[in-house]
Amino acid sequence: GAVVSQHPSRVICKSGTSVKIECRSLDFQATTMFWYRQFPKQSLMLMATSNEGSKATYEQGVEKDKFLINHASLTLSTLTVTSAHPEDSSFYICSATRVPGGSQYFGPGTRLLVL
Amino acid sequence: KNEVEQSPQNLTAQEGEFITINCSYSVGISALHWLQQHPGGGIVSLFMLSSGKKKHGRLIATINIQEKHSSLHITASHPRDSAVYICAVGVAGANSKLTFGKGITLSVRP
Repeated sequence: GAVVSQHPSRVICKSGTSVKIECRSLDFQATTMFWYRQFPKQSLMLMATSNEGSKATYEQGVEKDKFLINHASLTLSTLTVTSAHPEDSSFYICSATRVPGGSQYFGPGTRLLVL
Repeated sequence: KNEVEQSPQNLTAQEGEFITINCSYSVGISALHWLQQHPGGGIVSLFMLSSGKKKHGRLIATINIQEKHSSLHITASHPRDSAVYICAVGVAGANSKLTFGKGITLSVRP
């Protein structure tokens, strides 16, 4: 149990376009979902924390108007990278928890390349 | 100084060797996580522990709260254990937010 999926797994887009990434908890209801990004050879960096039905909490330095997060249900959160630029190219990973403070279950990640 | 430090930075071992990866942290934590990331990028949560010791197959994780230190041991290592091992801590009072170490790249040679 505790499977988290992400879609798409890989996306290539043109500069200036928007890209939506989905994160789903397949067999449990997630109280909280987290969005991370990871640059090559670096560790994960938390972008935002998302609770169902409420606004996401963004980490310092993360532009909320550029990285739109919608947590529409207890099993789905979406991250939209708006007006993507090449510097947004990265590996985006989501995770989800069943209960506050509980284990985080990670999705397989989405590799974004902006040309 | 990073809140979570891992050592060694890179590690190469021969198949069958016993491997130890260390993690030290400097903040109060609610729990410590060991994660495994394979070259494709996907992350698997290996352990979540707040005290003592846990074992799963050939993997053992220990934590010493007083010393703010955790170790991940791999017994009878195998090339498929080659991956990046990441230590992450849930900071006390931070509502499940994790702070990550930089990870250790382990390569097990056949």
